[in-house]
Amino acid sequence: NAGVTQTPKFRILKIGQSMTLQCTQDMNHNYMYWYRQDPGMGLKLIYYSVGAGITDKGEVPNGYNVSRSTTEDFPLRLELAAPSQTSVYFCATRLKEAFFGQGTRLTVV
Amino acid sequence: DQQVKQNSPSLSVQEGRISILNCDYTNSMFDYFLWYKKYPAEGPTFLISISSIKDKNEDGRFTVFLNKSAKHLSLHIVPSQPGDSAVYFCAASDAGYSTLTFGKGTMLLVSP
Repeated sequence: NAGVTQTPKFRILKIGQSMTLQCTQDMNHNYMYWYRQDPGMGLKLIYYSVGAGITDKGEVPNGYNVSRSTTEDFPLRLELAAPSQTSVYFCATRLKEAFFGQGTRLTVV
Repeated sequence: DQQVKQNSPSLSVQEGRISILNCDYTNSMFDYFLWYKKYPAEGPTFLISISSIKDKNEDGRFTVFLNKSAKHLSLHIVPSQPGDSAVYFCAASDAGYSTLTFGKGTMLLVSP
């Protein structure tokens, strides 16, 4: 039982490049979330999903896109990477308490 | 506008003493409150939660208190241990559980 798995763990992107952060859960939870954590800023919600086929914007969605074609997968897409997207990204799934992945540390240079 | 506030960026406590971490919220629709612990280079891990129908919840060394009228909750750790040194996040959710809003975190350092 892996819980929430995020890949990759680290990535360096050049400005303007695109990438997809992968998130997979085996807990069969409907709710899934993407957060970013900047130093001293806590966790900010980017996008969330309450079930397959349903996604909604969080507090800081600009520059990101998501999809939820299955219960298990909730990928986060960055289309044109910018230095402001340098952050640590966490995926989470939730029943009542949220369970987090190990995070993806992304640097945009 | 921050809906969940942790006003103390850091807290230092001696081993064996009590650690008290505080959290305030502004949204009266919040119905369920959680505390998470985070070590460097790891994801946050769930610690303890409390529903708005309660004012206290205990789990071993950890107790969370909720004061709804003051929109305030606190996490008490007794006795504190060096392994408790981490960043602690307060989080809040409405009754629909659709989103989870976090505070900025408090770094706890427990010294031997």
